[in-house]
Amino acid sequence: GQSLEQPSEVTAVEGAIVQINCTYQTSGFYGLSWYQQHDGGAPTFLSYNALDGLEETGRFSSFLSRSDSYGYLLLQELQMKDSASYFCAVADNQGGKLIFGQGTELSVKP
Amino acid sequence: DAGITQSPRHKVTETGTPVTLRCHQTENHRYMYWYRQDPGHGLRLIHYSYGVKDTDKGEVSDGYSVSRSKTEDFLLTLESATSSQTSVYFCAISEDSVNYGYTFGSGTRLTVV
Repeated sequence: GQSLEQPSEVTAVEGAIVQINCTYQTSGFYGLSWYQQHDGGAPTFLSYNALDGLEETGRFSSFLSRSDSYGYLLLQELQMKDSASYFCAVADNQGGKLIFGQGTELSVKP
Repeated sequence: DAGITQSPRHKVTETGTPVTLRCHQTENHRYMYWYRQDPGHGLRLIHYSYGVKDTDKGEVSDGYSVSRSKTEDFLLTLESATSSQTSVYFCAISEDSVNYGYTFGSGTRLTVV
């Protein structure tokens, strides 16, 4: 089976940097993804890491360490609109279906 | 011009009745998925499809069935709705590989009374 752990809540101030961690246990591993969800709306894809290292997309970066079964999402220059829930998800190596963590609610304060 | 739509957006139904939710895509993607989202549980996979008439179970498939007779439509049926199936249901689509990311629909809020 698969399980993922991420903090339930994180609070940060506007303009700061925040890191959301994710640890996982899987029987097979194909990659770690991150999704953002505002106010219960449709989750949107942020990033995907299949290999170790850092992937950068604008203000967002995602990191993976396969040997540690660990990854994180780094958000820089936080803006109020970044207040949302963030989910990590792992793909097994059969069919590519994603299993999601329980989500981290990020609150950005002025 | 959304590539994926879910219907209905909201539904209230009575315990014991069958309910069908529809997911429709215009992207011609091979893979389609049904998730449910509940407070404290994140998104949990119910069923998924990797092609027409090819479906498989996810983590929480009991009480649900699916059908995919056309590439563009993936139906989720609650055979006999129970209060524990009150949830927000999301459909998602993807191309061949997860690195392209899933595209989610706007969700269906289902209340079973």
